Amino acid sequence: DVKVTQSSRYLVKRTGEKVFLECVQDMDHENMFWYRQDPGLGLRLIYFSYDVKMKEKGDIPEGYSVSREKKERFSLILESASTNQTSMYLCASSLRSGSGADTQYFGPGTRLTVL
Amino acid sequence: SQKIEQNSEALNIQEGKTATLTCNYTNYSPAYLQWYRQDPGRGPVFLLLIRENEKEKRKERLKVTFDTTLKQSLFHITASQPADSATYLCALRYNFNKFYFGSGTKLNVKP
Repeated sequence: DVKVTQSSRYLVKRTGEKVFLECVQDMDHENMFWYRQDPGLGLRLIYFSYDVKMKEKGDIPEGYSVSREKKERFSLILESASTNQTSMYLCASSLRSGSGADTQYFGPGTRLTVL
Repeated sequence: SQKIEQNSEALNIQEGKTATLTCNYTNYSPAYLQWYRQDPGRGPVFLLLIRENEKEKRKERLKVTFDTTLKQSLFHITASQPADSATYLCALRYNFNKFYFGSGTKLNVKP
């Protein structure tokens, strides 16, 4: 079974703090994703990585950065947390299949509150 | 940008009935469409995928249809059970890194 783990289930930070969210997958997947999920807005893609050290911006990258130094690990960084970044953050991974029909496997999520 | 609409109101049905959830989208049709299930406090779990050239897909009690003319996908759960209660998300894939998710519809199956 594919397993995607996230470093924290719940996190409370203060405005202006630097925040690191870690994600690890154990199935040798090439692709990894960071989303945020807010009520009524669905999942919105923040960043995407298709290989080590490679990254691409999603729909809402402002205020975030990412790091992928190892294939199994994808980190999301909030350089200076703000209250509008309070959200549920979900990490996902997928194989880079030739058909393009990659199923995404999600972690349990991190509920971040910025005070 | 792409807009995806799922009914934001919860769907309440009786056990044993068929639940039908709708996913509508604007603009151009995706290469394929996926349905996920999400339980409270958990990440989404993949259920089914249908490609743009497919009309219907089935898996056990689940059935998905895809109508590119109507720009709509329907997700059916037959013989529904209380354990099917969850939020169901549709996701549209356009190209290499473009996934768009709907906000989901909550299904409540009453015994």
